[in-house]
Amino acid sequence: GAVVSQHPSRVICKSGTSVKIECRSLDFQATTMFWYRQFPKKSLMLMATSNEGSKATYEQGVEKDKFLINHASLTLSTLTVTSAHPEDSSFYICSARGLRGAWDVFGPGTRLLVL
Amino acid sequence: GENVEQHPSTLSVQEGDSAVIKCTYSDSASNYFPWYKQELGKRPQLIIDIRSNVGEKKDQRIAVTLNKTAKHFSLHITETQPEDSAVYFCAASKSNQGGKLIFGQGTELSVKP
Repeated sequence: GAVVSQHPSRVICKSGTSVKIECRSLDFQATTMFWYRQFPKKSLMLMATSNEGSKATYEQGVEKDKFLINHASLTLSTLTVTSAHPEDSSFYICSARGLRGAWDVFGPGTRLLVL
Repeated sequence: GENVEQHPSTLSVQEGDSAVIKCTYSDSASNYFPWYKQELGKRPQLIIDIRSNVGEKKDQRIAVTLNKTAKHFSLHITETQPEDSAVYFCAASKSNQGGKLIFGQGTELSVKP
């Protein structure tokens, strides 16, 4: 149990376009989902905390108008990278925390390449 | 806010030896300390965690110790195997407040056969 999926697993897009990444908890309800960004050989940098039915809480330095987060249900959160630029190229990972809040389960990640 | 420091950044051991990774945290209110293993290109996987009401927890070859006074916790892997090679991350949070995980910088462990 406790599986989180992400879609797509990798995406290549042109500069200026928008990309949507989905994070789903497959067999449990997630009251909270987290979005991270990870650079090669680096740690996980928290971008925002997403709670179902409310606005996301963004970490300092993360542009909320550029990284749009929607947590419409207890099993789905989406991250939209708007007007993507090459510097947005990265590995984006979500995690989901269940109703009991035992621990965070990570998705497989989405590798974004902006040309 | 919370800050987590992790050392060493790289660790190379011979198969069968033990490996120890150490983390310190700054917020004394943190009460949940998980360890994640991440293989190249894969998702982080929880391998063990500890809460502030215990000082040590063990699961087969893996153990974690916590010193709340000194605000540090360590991961111990005994009888290391090549498949233990990966990047390990420690983290800290205030779980009873729905807190976010703050991750350490990661340790790249290499187990040589």
